[in-house]
Amino acid sequence: DAGVTQSPTHLIKTRGQQVTLRCSPKSGHDTVSWYQQALGQGPQFIFQYYEEEERQRGNFPDRFSGHQFPNYSSELNVNALLLGDSALYLCASSLPGRSVNEQFFGPGTRLTVL
Amino acid sequence: AQSVSQHNHHVILSEAASLELGCNYSYGGTVNLFWYVQYPGQHLQLLLKYFSGDPLVKGIKGFEAEFIKSKFSFNLRKPSVQWSDTAEYFCAVKRNQAGTALIFGKGTTLSVSS
Repeated sequence: DAGVTQSPTHLIKTRGQQVTLRCSPKSGHDTVSWYQQALGQGPQFIFQYYEEEERQRGNFPDRFSGHQFPNYSSELNVNALLLGDSALYLCASSLPGRSVNEQFFGPGTRLTVL
Repeated sequence: AQSVSQHNHHVILSEAASLELGCNYSYGGTVNLFWYVQYPGQHLQLLLKYFSGDPLVKGIKGFEAEFIKSKFSFNLRKPSVQWSDTAEYFCAVKRNQAGTALIFGKGTTLSVSS
């Protein structure tokens, strides 16, 4: 049983560019959350998708957007990249239903903005 | 500001020493509490969780944590650490009245020497 998978593993972009990160949830999971982990910090919640809609959002600007597909996979898009967007982006999935118990994390995508 | 605080940034222990990592949160109301671990080169994985009931919870690999509601604390303990416990440890809180996002502390790096 594959766990949460993310692609790409690493990505280098320049300021002002746009980036798309992808996540496939663990089998049987329908809820996907995205987190940003800056160097030396804990993960920070960006947003969560359930039933193809954004269910909850953290304190991130509109440059951060997402999408969930019918197969429950998800994308995170970041526009107008800033140097401060350099971080590890984590995807987490969880079991069906509105009550989230445990989130399973993927390996992350390391984004470097030059 | 509401937050999750991990008191120790870096802990260095010898094998067989006892471990206690502190975690305090500043949210009122009902919370779910988690400890996640990130071994070098691996993704975040759940060590243990508290939802309700017995405030002393046992997790994988001999770890346990005690929820003390009056102190807003959820400290992680292990009676005898091993070299393989070298990792980064994150405390996380989910506020039951605030959606499903996890709020993480900044993490504690544990280094165990053999």
